[in-house]
Amino acid sequence: QVQLVESGGRVVQPGRSLRLSCAASGFTFSSYAFHWVRQAPGKGLEWVAVISFAGGNKFYADSVKGRFTVSRDNSKNTLYLEMNSLRTEDTATYYCARRPQGRGLDYWGQGTLLTVSS
Amino acid sequence: DIQMTQSPSSLSASVGERVTITCRASQDITNFVAWFQQKPGKAPKSLIYAASSLQDGVPSKFSGSGFGTDFTLTVNNLQPEDFATYYCQQYSTYPHTFGQGTKLEI
Repeated sequence: QVQLVESGGRVVQPGRSLRLSCAASGFTFSSYAFHWVRQAPGKGLEWVAVISFAGGNKFYADSVKGRFTVSRDNSKNTLYLEMNSLRTEDTATYYCARRPQGRGLDYWGQGTLLTVSS
Repeated sequence: DIQMTQSPSSLSASVGERVTITCRASQDITNFVAWFQQKPGKAPKSLIYAASSLQDGVPSKFSGSGFGTDFTLTVNNLQPEDFATYYCQQYSTYPHTFGQGTKLEI
């Protein structure tokens, strides 16, 4: 069955860097685009970034552009989110989600919590 | 950026009732709208894509409609497990913005 498992979230200080991972299984990873979506505590969903199935196309929310980088390793069935210059407002649960061609997001991971605090 | 405005922000209903949630886009997005359900402490669950198509495994009590700028999610015969927060999202143009959510309470 389709599984997406995020990891890497922890407490970090403002200005530091962190990489989140999303390990996929149960389907052909390289056939899908993937998105990162985050949710600050008690708040709504915020779209963060997308990477195309081959990794050649990437788009970011203005709030993270220039600081976050999305990447993927199709040989390892893993999606990444490299986050630099972290701010307190980046504190959130980060979800990865799969998007089939021509459809909305279908499967989501369980999320990983990033807390940015001094 | 395209703004997605959901209404109402909260809604009270009873078991067995039908409810409708509305989402309005700030510009024409044809049918590139998805709906999600989220329960406390859980990841979102995908319900609908392309405004009216059910994701695999989603019961037919959920339905969506709309085109252009105005969209609705309807939930029939509310059951206790349906009480959650619902979000719309446009995926016509990046950034793929979400509505602010509608909390459906008993």
